[in-house]
Amino acid sequence: KNEVEQSPQNLTAQEGEFITINCSYSVGISALHWLQQHPGGGIVSLFMLSSGKKKHGRLIATINIQEKHSSLHITASHPRDSAVYICAVRSGGSNYKLTFGKGTLLTVNP
Amino acid sequence: GAGVSQSPRYKVAKRGQDVALRCDPISGHVSLFWYQQALGQGPEFLTYFQNEAQLDKSGLPSDRFFAERPEGSVSTLKIQRTQQEDSAVYLCASSLEGQHQPQHFGDGTRLSIL
Repeated sequence: KNEVEQSPQNLTAQEGEFITINCSYSVGISALHWLQQHPGGGIVSLFMLSSGKKKHGRLIATINIQEKHSSLHITASHPRDSAVYICAVRSGGSNYKLTFGKGTLLTVNP
Repeated sequence: GAGVSQSPRYKVAKRGQDVALRCDPISGHVSLFWYQQALGQGPEFLTYFQNEAQLDKSGLPSDRFFAERPEGSVSTLKIQRTQQEDSAVYLCASSLEGQHQPQHFGDGTRLSIL
């Protein structure tokens, strides 16, 4: 069993819809990252959080440490949000090593 | 730009050949990471440098994989006697020192072994 599980694996939405991507992990962590990967490989860091909630524009990330669960929400989705969204955790025993989920492929249709 | 730069972007090699992948981190970034991303999978950790010191190489899949960062800046990942299962995107990331620093990723090198 992977240490980091994401759901769904694939998600198709219509422009304007509210999107939720989930991440569950099985180890104690010191931080959780949400990353965005566009076709062609480039990865952009969206959020790094260890508790509570962060918001940036239309993106919101939440984490529940007790339940070992995080969600990434996209409000008013747009076709340019189409990408792979990856959850990664830094375990409590390491100050640098990240363990990644397999990613969620989001397609937003106009 | 001033981001992490990787070269080449694409590399095709025949099975058995040696390849070298280059990473230019962001200037001043102490930490450098290499990851391997197979098709449809998330990245997997290969190795970590702090300046020129390779502090963790636990993710390197075999002794055919070798990474160096001799002057604490540019890093090279070398794969000897390539196999088909080495086909993947190889990602490099760099960060400032400290556990709360975000990692900045390059666009990766897509390696195809024929």
